[in-house]
Amino acid sequence: KAGVTQTPRYLIKTRGQQVTLSCSPISGHRSVSWYQQTPGQGLQFLFEYFSETQRNKGNFPGRFSGRQFSNSRSEMNVSTLELGDSALYLCASSLRGAYGYTFGSGTRLTVV
Amino acid sequence: EDKVVQSPLSLVVHEGDTVTLNCSYEVTNFRSLLWYKQEKKAPTFLFMLTSSGIEKKSGRLSSILDKKELFSILNITATQTGDSAVYLCAAARDSGGSNYKLTFGKGTLLTVNP
Repeated sequence: KAGVTQTPRYLIKTRGQQVTLSCSPISGHRSVSWYQQTPGQGLQFLFEYFSETQRNKGNFPGRFSGRQFSNSRSEMNVSTLELGDSALYLCASSLRGAYGYTFGSGTRLTVV
Repeated sequence: EDKVVQSPLSLVVHEGDTVTLNCSYEVTNFRSLLWYKQEKKAPTFLFMLTSSGIEKKSGRLSSILDKKELFSILNITATQTGDSAVYLCAAARDSGGSNYKLTFGKGTLLTVNP
């Protein structure tokens, strides 16, 4: 079966711009979670969507938002980019919640 | 706030050595403890532990959970260079209705030298 697909793989943006990242989960998976990974902070939870509804949210500012479509694909948006937003953004999908998480390969975002 | 602490943060060993990675947690409504291996980008699942004292094994890797002392260990015996990776520990909180939220530790970077 196809894995979790994240696009794009790499992205370079300038401060103040906005960015949209995409995640296509494994077929049949209804839960999609997003994480930010940086060397200093490790993996930090952004939010989780389940059946198009945001079910859990981490402690990130309102500049970070997301949504999930009826086909379970999810997008994450970051507005007014800051240098500190440079990170690897990982998406994980599962049938329900945290169990059976499968991670995508991530999107490496660099803000200059 | 849920918290997961891993130690050591990094470790360098020689092939054939045995290593023990530690993970302690403080999580409200704790459900289970998960271990992942991250080599390049995508973390891959290793173990999920729900019950205390029951060891899970997969080849040279094994893990156990202590729910009284709130920690877990991951053991790797006869290490190989292919074991070099970041090992992530995550604790799952049960928020009800099959809704589980994971909190990750910062990971242990394991380097196995030939």
